[in-house]
Amino acid sequence: AQSVAQPEDQVNVAEGNPLTVKCTYSVSGNPYLFWYVQYPNRGLQFLLKYITGDNLVKGSYGFEAEFNKSQTSFHLKKPSALVSDSALYFCAVADQTGANNLFFGTGTRLTVIP
Amino acid sequence: DSGVTQTPKHLITATGQRVTLRCSPRSGDLSVYWYQQSLDQGLQFLIQYYNGEERAKGNILERFSAQQFPDLHSELNLSSLELGDSALYFCASSPSSGNTIYFGEGSWLTVV
Repeated sequence: AQSVAQPEDQVNVAEGNPLTVKCTYSVSGNPYLFWYVQYPNRGLQFLLKYITGDNLVKGSYGFEAEFNKSQTSFHLKKPSALVSDSALYFCAVADQTGANNLFFGTGTRLTVIP
Repeated sequence: DSGVTQTPKHLITATGQRVTLRCSPRSGDLSVYWYQQSLDQGLQFLIQYYNGEERAKGNILERFSAQQFPDLHSELNLSSLELGDSALYFCASSPSSGNTIYFGEGSWLTVV
């Protein structure tokens, strides 16, 4: 069975500093990995995904994620954090059975401090 | 705007009642998914439909049911509501051959 772990409930970073939000996964076969962001009282917005290919995936709003197969990780990164990046971030892995539904981590709340 | 439309945005109802949440997927998307987001359970997959047929079932209670209509919109029916059903219910959709799932803004259900 597939699962995702986000070890940090909360990440605080100063504006302008690089940020990292951690995610590790467990899946049989090739992983399909995703990052979504949820702003207050809003739905989930797709940021980026890894299906195959280059281990460094670039997404929306300047975010990128690095797929590391040996460490089974898919950490979300941004070189310079903005206050507007403050939100709840979810890592997810796709169901490998073909149904295509997502299994989400518990989320990490990112706060960017001005 | 993801293109997935959910109604109503907010709903307050009493225990024991029944409600219906409605979802219009993105144009052209054949798959519709329902998720529940609550403080204690996090984001949980409930059920998926593909072109009118049930495709996958997650942690959906027997009191809950869903369907997808020929025009591809979907409804999630929640009955015999309990306080613990209070949550944000998301609908999502994806292309028939794609892997990215796009979410609506959600329907906030409060059971009192």
